[in-house]
Amino acid sequence: DAKTTQPNSMESNEEEPVHLPCNHSTISGTDYIHWYRQLPSQGPEYVIHGLTSNVNNRMASLAIAEDRKSSTLILHRATLRDAAVYYCIGGGSNYKLTFGKGTLLTVNP
Amino acid sequence: NAGVTQTPKFQVLKTGQSMTLQCAQDMNHEYMSWYRQDPGMGLRLIHYSVGAGITDQGEVPNGYNVSRSTTEDFPLRLLSAAPSQTSVYFCASSFSGQGPNEQFFGPGTRLTVL
Repeated sequence: DAKTTQPNSMESNEEEPVHLPCNHSTISGTDYIHWYRQLPSQGPEYVIHGLTSNVNNRMASLAIAEDRKSSTLILHRATLRDAAVYYCIGGGSNYKLTFGKGTLLTVNP
Repeated sequence: NAGVTQTPKFQVLKTGQSMTLQCAQDMNHEYMSWYRQDPGMGLRLIHYSVGAGITDQGEVPNGYNVSRSTTEDFPLRLLSAAPSQTSVYFCASSFSGQGPNEQFFGPGTRLTVL
């Protein structure tokens, strides 16, 4: 799996957009970029994944740089329920996800 | 669907005791795995299975055994518990082990070894 670098923590205000960055400069051409999040005292949950093109789903958008060395998870309108640790994972072509420490997102009311 | 279920939710063991953490899924997923999460850390893969009868080691397999006799169940056995195994254990499953398949995680088992 590619090594990923994320900020330890970020803060946002409720109902504002949040951009969570991730660097994955060693990612290979076949590695996907996955995002999971972990709410307090729960197991991780899938958010989104992508390979080259930007991706949208009901939870978030994933913007992938053209050189694929970085990506940004976008939450369009943060809610208090979005407060969690967000993990960016590069890889998954061999199904073994490697979780780093992630970014702790705090959402202020 | 119940999704991925884990029992027990909490467990306290004494050093040297053995126990089995249970994991079950009702989504007919081929791939199942066990992770542990220590305080302030990400998850680390212990063992995984790509189908009934097939298991393999992950990043931190020592001290743990697994078997997969059915598609639904993937128990994790602690052979002789040690304080270093105090952690939160998560079971996960996905439709396939290949490609970017969404993994579904259980709620976790919090284990303390005294």
